[in-house]
Amino acid sequence: RKEVEQDPGPFNVPEGATVAFNCTYSNSASQSFFWYRQDCRKEPKLLMSVYSSGNEDGRFTAQLNRASQYISLLIRDSKLSDSATYLCVVNSLGDMRFGAGTRLTVKP
Amino acid sequence: GAVVSQHPSWVICKSGTSVKIECRSLDFQATTMFWYRQFPKQSLMLMATSNEGSKATYEQGVEKDKFLINHASLTLSTLTVTSAHPEDSSFYICSASSGSLNEQFFGPGTRLTVL
Repeated sequence: RKEVEQDPGPFNVPEGATVAFNCTYSNSASQSFFWYRQDCRKEPKLLMSVYSSGNEDGRFTAQLNRASQYISLLIRDSKLSDSATYLCVVNSLGDMRFGAGTRLTVKP
Repeated sequence: GAVVSQHPSWVICKSGTSVKIECRSLDFQATTMFWYRQFPKQSLMLMATSNEGSKATYEQGVEKDKFLINHASLTLSTLTVTSAHPEDSSFYICSASSGSLNEQFFGPGTRLTVL
């Protein structure tokens, strides 16, 4: 079993749609969690950290469920510019593990 | 977010030569730096983790004698691909973190092509 698993997609959605990604992790001792986005042929960029209480940043909402060992990312009112690969990252005392990424394409 | 630079951004070299890639954290002290490799349409693969002043920890399957990592200061880490071969052609990305639980900030990557 991979340490961090994501549905690779692709997710193809129309503009304005709401889309959700899930990510599961195997290490119950994991301590911090992040979502990154990566555009084609570019480096990953931090989208948001994920806190136990859940957090929201504009159209983006991240949730953490420690009991079930998964994190989620919800994107509302999706824009064309949201098209990218979304990477789930799980950190256990500096040991950062990346998911393989979920590819999102938002179409007009 | 914090800024991480990488140099060079791209390099083309002949088979058998060595290539050095620099990764710098410009506005924070990076206690830990990470080196990744990414092949086209594949996910990031962690190659090694380096802490300032100590030896790098390599992932399984990554040859430490081929991929030399030096993290001599809190703002600079280097990756040297020794005796590069065409199969080493890839996108090499570094990232830096200021603490073990903190987020990583990525450099823009170095695209290596070995002829």
